[in-house]
This record gives sequence, structure tokens and C-alpha cells, in this order.
Amino acid sequence: AQSVTQPDIHITVSEGASLELRCNYSYGATPYLFWYVQSPGQGLQLLLKYFSGDTLVQGIKGFEAEFKRSQSSFNLRKPSVHWSDAAEYFCAVGASQGAQKLVFGQGTRLTINP
Amino acid sequence: GAGVSQSPRYKVAKRGQDVALRCDPISGHVSLFWYQQALGQGPEFLTYFQNEAQLDKSGLPSDRFFAERPEGSVSTLKIQRTQQEDSAVYLCASSLGSRGQPQHFGDGTRLSIL
Repeated sequence: AQSVTQPDIHITVSEGASLELRCNYSYGATPYLFWYVQSPGQGLQLLLKYFSGDTLVQGIKGFEAEFKRSQSSFNLRKPSVHWSDAAEYFCAVGASQGAQKLVFGQGTRLTINP
Repeated sequence: GAGVSQSPRYKVAKRGQDVALRCDPISGHVSLFWYQQALGQGPEFLTYFQNEAQLDKSGLPSDRFFAERPEGSVSTLKIQRTQQEDSAVYLCASSLGSRGQPQHFGDGTRLSIL
């Protein structure tokens, strides 16, 4: 069964600074990987996804993520954060066979200092 | 709008009452998922439908939880004899159905059991 670990529960960065949110997954085969963002009282919005091919994927709102098989990681990055990026970020893994559910990490809460 | 619609947005019930939560997926999406999100946690899978067939209900926490999607579109999650630990946000997601297709989430129903 797949699992996801997001080691950082809460991260604070200054507006304009770079950002990296960590995600490690456990799955025996090549997984489907996703990053979602959730603002308070809202559902989850898809930022980007990895299925196969190029290991650096681009998403919406200037985010990107890199799949590193050797490290079982799928870290999310943004070169310069904006105050509107403050939210909860979830990494999720889907299996390439078997159950179609997503397994989510605990989430990382991002706070932006002005 | 064209997104996933959930109702009600908020539901307060007394312990022991039955509740029903509705999900209206994106038109044409054959797959529908229910997740439970406790405060400060990532969503956890409850159940999955492909059209009207419930293919996976491994995440339902007890036999008090029941989900249906009789015509392959709208789905209802029913919780009987509610308990305080059922308090959570219930998220519905839909997708096109092929494995790895991203899931699109509604804004959720926040259920509070008094």
C-alpha cells in the first residue's frame, strides 16, 4: 500500500522568497503523484501532477515539482512566493494498479510574512 | 459552475441522528470518491464509485456509513446514528475515470456532531 510523508507541518517564508515543500512517498512501483492546495473553508485545488516522462513538472500559479525516484521524493517549489500563496499544501500518491484512491500526506501549512 | 458541488456546506446534528450529504460531480465524470478530513489532517479515503457501481468501500469506518450513486451521477453519503468522532469535513471528488486522472474536489461539507 502507498503512503506519503510531509515532514514539515508548518513553514513560514517571507514574501518574495523561494519555497520548497517536501514530500516523500512509499510505493512499490511508479506512482502517480499530485500536489493540491487548500485555502481555509475550501476544497482542494490541483497544482500539478506527475504520471511519467519528464521528472520536472510545471503547474499552475508558478509552482513546479521534481520527481526523484532514487529519493522517493516529489518536492514542490516556487521561486518567489506571494502573500496569496498562504494555504495548506497536500502531497498525494495514487497507485498505478489496484485501488484508484489517493493517499494524502498530513499537509504543510504555509504562512507568508509581509 | 462546472465544478463539483456539495451540499449542505455545514451540517450540525445531535449525537444519534442520521445525516445525508450530497455530491453533484462534474458532468461526464464517471469516477466519484468520498474522503473524510479531520481537523489538521489530510483527507482520508472512504469509498469509490465508477458510474453506479461501488468498487471500493474499504475506507468506510463502520457499518453506520453508507454511500450510493444510483444513477451514476449524484451521490449521497449517509451516516446513521452519528457519533462525535464523525465530526469532520467530508470531501467529494470526481474524475474522468482513467487511472491517474486528477481528482477534482468540491468545497466539502463540514459536519459537527453535538
